[in-house]
Amino acid sequence: QVQLQESGPGLVRPSQTLSLTCTVSGASLSSGKFYWSWIRQPPGKGLEWIGYIYHSGSAYYNPSLKSRITMSVDVTKNQFSLNLTFATAADTAVYYCSRFDYSDSFDSWGQGTLVTVSS
Amino acid sequence: QSALTQPPSASGSPGQSVTVSCTGSSSDIGAYDYVSWYQQLPGKAPKLIIYAVTKRPSGVPDRFSASKSGNTASLTVSGLQGDDEADYYCSSYAGSNTYVFGTGTRVSVL
Repeated sequence: QVQLQESGPGLVRPSQTLSLTCTVSGASLSSGKFYWSWIRQPPGKGLEWIGYIYHSGSAYYNPSLKSRITMSVDVTKNQFSLNLTFATAADTAVYYCSRFDYSDSFDSWGQGTLVTVSS
Repeated sequence: QSALTQPPSASGSPGQSVTVSCTGSSSDIGAYDYVSWYQQLPGKAPKLIIYAVTKRPSGVPDRFSASKSGNTASLTVSGLQGDDEADYYCSSYAGSNTYVFGTGTRVSVL
């Protein structure tokens, strides 16, 4: 059974870069069977799809965030990462990493990590 | 890319049914049969309960069913139970390798 675990700083200063890593166990990123995604949820609000990445490094992003996002994958560590530049208070959220299946659904999720953008 | 529209809340008594709507556009729900639904219990990560408009993953009770008509998808929870109290989110493919979530509906069991 696949498990995903987010890690990274819980506090980011405004205008700095928000960086998170998702470690996957129970499935190999290099298998090519899935995409690997980031989704966030501001406190008390709904879910927002950030983007997803394939093991080859091909990535697709939410158009509203595209100019500030970079995703990467490290198949040797079975990890994928998110960088969000020029963070503002509006980026404060619980960030989830998730596996995206070819049935077009997010079928496994990490527990989420709260990132607060504040000085 | 706008969020799909869901009612903020819905409720029903134990044993009854509740239906949650998810309204999009001809660019997302209306264009593709790639609607999924997620249940989020308080303080927990979302859980997939419906994919490809009507299909249930293994382990999801058949009390959960879903459909789509035009630009609107719907989730029905039958035989409501106390542990069905949660937030429910729809999601749809929106073209060009992008996805959009709904605004979320809090389902309460009276």
